[in-house]
Amino acid sequence: EVQLLESGGGLVQPGGSLRLSCAGSGFSFTTYAMAWVRQAPGKGLEWVAAVSGNGNDAYYADSVKGRFTISRDNSKNTLSLQMHSLTVEDTAVYYCAKGAGFFGSGSSIDHWGQGILVTVSS
Amino acid sequence: EIVLTQSPGTLSSSPGERATLSCRASQSIISDYVAWYQQKPGQAPRLLIYGASSRAPGIPDRFRGSGSGTDFTLTITRLETDDFAVYHCQEYGSSSWTFGQGTKVEVK
Repeated sequence: EVQLLESGGGLVQPGGSLRLSCAGSGFSFTTYAMAWVRQAPGKGLEWVAAVSGNGNDAYYADSVKGRFTISRDNSKNTLSLQMHSLTVEDTAVYYCAKGAGFFGSGSSIDHWGQGILVTVSS
Repeated sequence: EIVLTQSPGTLSSSPGERATLSCRASQSIISDYVAWYQQKPGQAPRLLIYGASSRAPGIPDRFRGSGSGTDFTLTITRLETDDFAVYHCQEYGSSSWTFGQGTKVEVK
């Protein structure tokens, strides 16, 4: 059974940094693209970033480009999202997501974590 | 960047009725790489449809996806009480995935 378990969320002040992690299990981690998708309170889904199975290709939404970095450690089956210069607009539930293929392009999301809340507030 | 517009924003229906949800793209989506997800309050989304018309494993056949190019549709042929939820469409043909704003299917 595929499992995705997020950690690292919480309350951070504007301008601060936070690192999210996602532990994947139940599948061949290196074979699939992984991504982060967020959902602000009462809003729709927003794709944040994606990374290919081998970690060589990473893609970002314009709203986070230059502030967030997605990475993966395939030896530990772990996906990370390093977030800097956080603003109140980054407040959301962040979902770890598994792509159905190796690359982000051409991959739907076939499994989702339960999500973790990031709150940016003073 | 592709923009996806879902309509209606809210659909009020009764169990047993047919529900038709629309997802329109601002430009043609490569290889019809469109997915549909169901999300219930407090839960993560769940994949229903990928490739515009293929059902994900375990998804009942009352969920049907169709369309190509810029116009895509999710049809729930006979609504069951478990189907009242928010539905999101997504394009994944580009390197920048995009979601629509969602359609809420509520009990009339």
